[in-house]
Amino acid sequence: GEDVEQSLFLSVREGDSSVINCTYTDSSSTYLYWYKQEPGAGLQLLTYIFSNMDMKQDQRLTVLLNKKDKHLSLRIADTQTGDSAIYFCAESGTDKLIFGTGTRLQVFP
Amino acid sequence: DTGVSQNPRHKITKRGQNVTFRCDPISEHNRLYWYRQTLGQGPEFLTYFQNEAQLEKSRLLSDRFSAERPKGSFSTLEIQRTEQGDSAMYLCASSLEAGLGDYGYTFGSGTRLTVV
Repeated sequence: GEDVEQSLFLSVREGDSSVINCTYTDSSSTYLYWYKQEPGAGLQLLTYIFSNMDMKQDQRLTVLLNKKDKHLSLRIADTQTGDSAIYFCAESGTDKLIFGTGTRLQVFP
Repeated sequence: DTGVSQNPRHKITKRGQNVTFRCDPISEHNRLYWYRQTLGQGPEFLTYFQNEAQLEKSRLLSDRFSAERPKGSFSTLEIQRTEQGDSAMYLCASSLEAGLGDYGYTFGSGTRLTVV
């Protein structure tokens, strides 16, 4: 079946790197996504990775994919207070996205 | 085009009442999705349309829920005889075809339903 798991909470100091981890079960997923949700807002697409890649970098964001272990991570370099939000990974299931439970990132000065 | 628009933003209703939410997708997107998000959880898939055809419904979508997309543009989600367990954020998203890669899914800001 399709299931996506994430750790619930991460706290980092401003300026440090943040690493948010995710495991998924559907090996047929073509793309894997990271979304950001700020309080009271919808979901904002941050980045994605195609399943035949193992790394993608986009400015401060680095996505790593270990397809063998079905493990996905999002690294945010130089984390800022504006990065405080909930981060969701999602796998592209059959014709729909399957989301994890989200990781709440708290950035403190 | 200002993205995916959802109305209302907030809805408070008494248990047993019917409610209807509206979603206006990005105009050139032919796929439209409804998700439900409860506190502390990730969004859960409810249903999706390709143009006006409803192609999949989750088992979460009980008989009290109905969704339509009559002309392949905007969509409505109706909940009949609301229950307290229906309290959640209802999110709408749209995409081109299967929403792969760069297209992703564009989400609206959601409608927060509170059943009292």
